[in-house]
Amino acid sequence: DAGVIQSPRHEVTEMGQEVTLRCKLISGHNSLFWYRQTMMRGLELLIYFNNNVPIDDSGMPEDRFSAKMPNASFSTLKIQPSEPRDSAVYFCASSSGGRPGELFFGEGSRLTVL
Amino acid sequence: QQQVKQSPQSLIVQKGGISIINCAYENTAFDYFPWYQQFPGKGPALLIAIRPDVSEKKEGRFTISFNKSAKQFSLHIMDSQPGDSATYFCAARDDKIIFGKGTRLHILP
Repeated sequence: DAGVIQSPRHEVTEMGQEVTLRCKLISGHNSLFWYRQTMMRGLELLIYFNNNVPIDDSGMPEDRFSAKMPNASFSTLKIQPSEPRDSAVYFCASSSGGRPGELFFGEGSRLTVL
Repeated sequence: QQQVKQSPQSLIVQKGGISIINCAYENTAFDYFPWYQQFPGKGPALLIAIRPDVSEKKEGRFTISFNKSAKQFSLHIMDSQPGDSATYFCAARDDKIIFGKGTRLHILP
């Protein structure tokens, strides 16, 4: 079975540009989590969805960040406009069931904003 | 406010030694405590997990010790091997999973 698939794996962009990160969940999973990883802050939860509905977006840094889940298997995280401090590795993870148990992570999208 | 505090930030252990990573939490609503292992360029993967009604869980060379009254838990890696070199994250769940900042473990050959 395919795992969580993220794209792009690497993105280099200039400050002010729009960035869209994509995530395909494992088939049958109903919860989706977006995390951001940096050396300083570790793994931070940005937002999570359950059955396509955003449950908690308190970790989203500011209005420049938005996430959508247009269907049960796909999600996007958008940053507009991007800033150098957004540089990080962004992971999505999926799980099954009502409360998250084991999280299955993708390989991440490494974002560099110049 | 950091909900799950992890230490040390980095750790170097000789091959065959015991690696110990510690975590502490405040939220008594947490009911599930997993540990994740991450290799460079990869996403974290579940290593072992424990629920607070159990004081210890062992899987092979990996053991979680859990102290509910102290609100602390730790990961012990026995007979550490170079292949164990990775970043380890403790985590805790209420309705979502919150991670500690991670420990970079290096096992000397």
